[in-house]
Order: sequence, then structure tokens, then C-alpha cells
Amino acid sequence: DTAVSQTPKYLVTQMGNDKSIKCEQNLGHDTMYWYKQDSKKFLKIMFSYNNKELIINETVPNRFSPKSPDKAHLNLHINSLELGDSAVYFCASSHLGQGASRETQYFGPGTRLLVL
Amino acid sequence: GNSVTQMEGPVTLSEEAFLTINCTYTATGYPSLFWYVQYPGEGLQLLLKATKADDKGSNKGFEATYRKETTSFHLEKGSVQVSDSAVYFCALSDQSNTGKLIFGQGTTLQVKP
Repeated sequence: DTAVSQTPKYLVTQMGNDKSIKCEQNLGHDTMYWYKQDSKKFLKIMFSYNNKELIINETVPNRFSPKSPDKAHLNLHINSLELGDSAVYFCASSHLGQGASRETQYFGPGTRLLVL
Repeated sequence: GNSVTQMEGPVTLSEEAFLTINCTYTATGYPSLFWYVQYPGEGLQLLLKATKADDKGSNKGFEATYRKETTSFHLEKGSVQVSDSAVYFCALSDQSNTGKLIFGQGTTLQVKP
């Protein structure tokens, strides 16, 4: 009955590879997010989808491509992985209603990516 | 642009000590303010929030008051426990209606028995 789940939990891969991280939420939310947490614990928004439409696209290399097949899923595909991509990637979801700024975001457990 | 600044950690306290973690923000308009907590090896979870000036958010003995005049949202707890050891993030959500959260750099709290 996990609210926001991510797979895999750990991902170790070589530079230059392509990898995907998957996220699913069963909270009935209409909006999902990807955040990146660096080695100093700093968290930054990368992307957000509302009802399968991209609404936030921060300055992220175009090697990162999000895909939302439906409201409950948001995947992140990363091409040509680089050492600097090593981080923890968190998925989150919320309901984007009239008072979007007031809504709580629910986070997944994170995917720890290590690029060698 | 919008930003959040937290006091640097780590903060090390003995059990039952008083906790304050400072948080100040820069934003246009009237953002909502949040404290999230990250326990070791886990994702973030909401600790408390306040959506307008002078609101006080509280949960599990923690509280924070939205002070527009000082653009602050300091986190306090009267008596910390070892189980409170975690990383605490202050965050704001602006009025862009995207739900975008802007986080502070996080403050690590270590509570010793």
C-alpha cells in the first residue's frame, strides 16, 4: 500500500550508459515531480507533469527525458550517463488544485544512482 | 528569484534540549512555507506547513510560525529525542500554481542520548 514508489532503489552503472527510473503513485494525485538531491543533500526540482502534460522543465540537460504514460506514473530516462549525474532522484506527487501552492507533496523513497 | 536559506548544520544536541533551526526566505507575493524531514535512507515527509502570514504549523511537538515581517519560518521543538535525528528542509511554494517547491540546503540534526 505504498503511496509513492520508485524502482530501482539503487542503480550502479557505467558512464555512457542509458538508464530509466520508474515512479508510481496510488494517491489519486494529478501531478508528479522529479527532484535531484546532490551529495550535499541539496534538492532541486527537475520536471513536473500535470495530467500527463509537462508543466515544469527546469534547466536540465536534454539527456534527461521524463515520460508520463498516465497520471499515476512518471518515468525518467537518462541518456549517456555522466559522473555528475550521480545523485539521489526523488519522485513526488500532489494534487494541483486551485491552491496549488498550499498542497503537500508526497515523496518516494528515492533512487540512488551511482555512475562509475 | 525565490529562495530559501537555512542555518548550516550539523546541529548536535543532547536529548531533551531545545531546538531551533532558522529559515528565512525571499519571495514575491504570498508563498506557502513547509518543513520537510528526511530520516536516514528515506524520502522526504511533510513535518508541518503554513499557508499565510501569522499561521503556526505544528506536528509531533515541532512548530513554526510564518512571519512575513521578518520573512522567516523558524522550526522549534521544546525537547528533542534521539529519534528526531534527521535532515530538516525548509521549503516554499510560490503562487505560480505549478506546486514547485524551492528548498533550503537542509540542516542535519543529531541528537545524542
